[in-house]
Amino acid sequence: QVQLQESGPGLVKPSETLSLTCRVSGDSIKSFYWSWIRQFPGKRLEWMGYVSDIGPGRSNYNPSLRGRISMSLDTSKNQFSLNLASVTTADTAVYFCARGKASPYEWGPGTLVTVSS
Amino acid sequence: DVHMTQSPSSLSASVGDTITITCQASQDIVNSLNWFQQKPGKPPKLLMYGASILETGVPSRFSGRVAGTVFTFTINGLQPEDFATYFCQQYDNLPPTFGGGTRVEVK
Repeated sequence: QVQLQESGPGLVKPSETLSLTCRVSGDSIKSFYWSWIRQFPGKRLEWMGYVSDIGPGRSNYNPSLRGRISMSLDTSKNQFSLNLASVTTADTAVYFCARGKASPYEWGPGTLVTVSS
Repeated sequence: DVHMTQSPSSLSASVGDTITITCQASQDIVNSLNWFQQKPGKPPKLLMYGASILETGVPSRFSGRVAGTVFTFTINGLQPEDFATYFCQQYDNLPPTFGGGTRVEVK
């Protein structure tokens, strides 16, 4: 069974870039879709986007984040990454990585990222 | 975006009760709906997809139905381990969107 583990800074300053990595074990990241989802302090869930090495549409992002978000795959390390630029306190959330395109079916445990000066 | 209206936001129940949660989609999503269970400090766990198909290992006391754009999730005979928060999520349209969640508490 695949295991996912998020890692990255737990504290980011406003206006900086949030960078997280999801290490995947138990399966190759090739030929699958991988997503990031975040959960705000009030428990609301937001799908952020997906990345894959499949076909021409290798990434797709939530329009609410367009311009600030990018995702990438590192097949040599079997991991994928999230970058979210120009963060504000509204980006404080638990960030989850997951397997799946629009229907995430295996999730990492999540990592809390707080945006604060 | 497809808006998912989930109700109730919370409910109190006892072991053995039958509970029902509803999600209404703002447009037709066919049966492209997931139900997740989340316990404190844990990620959401996929229980059901395709509106009514149980993930492997999920007990049969969980069930789902769809009538148009209204989706219902039922637990028949609530067990102690079922006290949690439940979310619906549509995946028919990008971006996928979630309902606001239903917290199932002990009465």
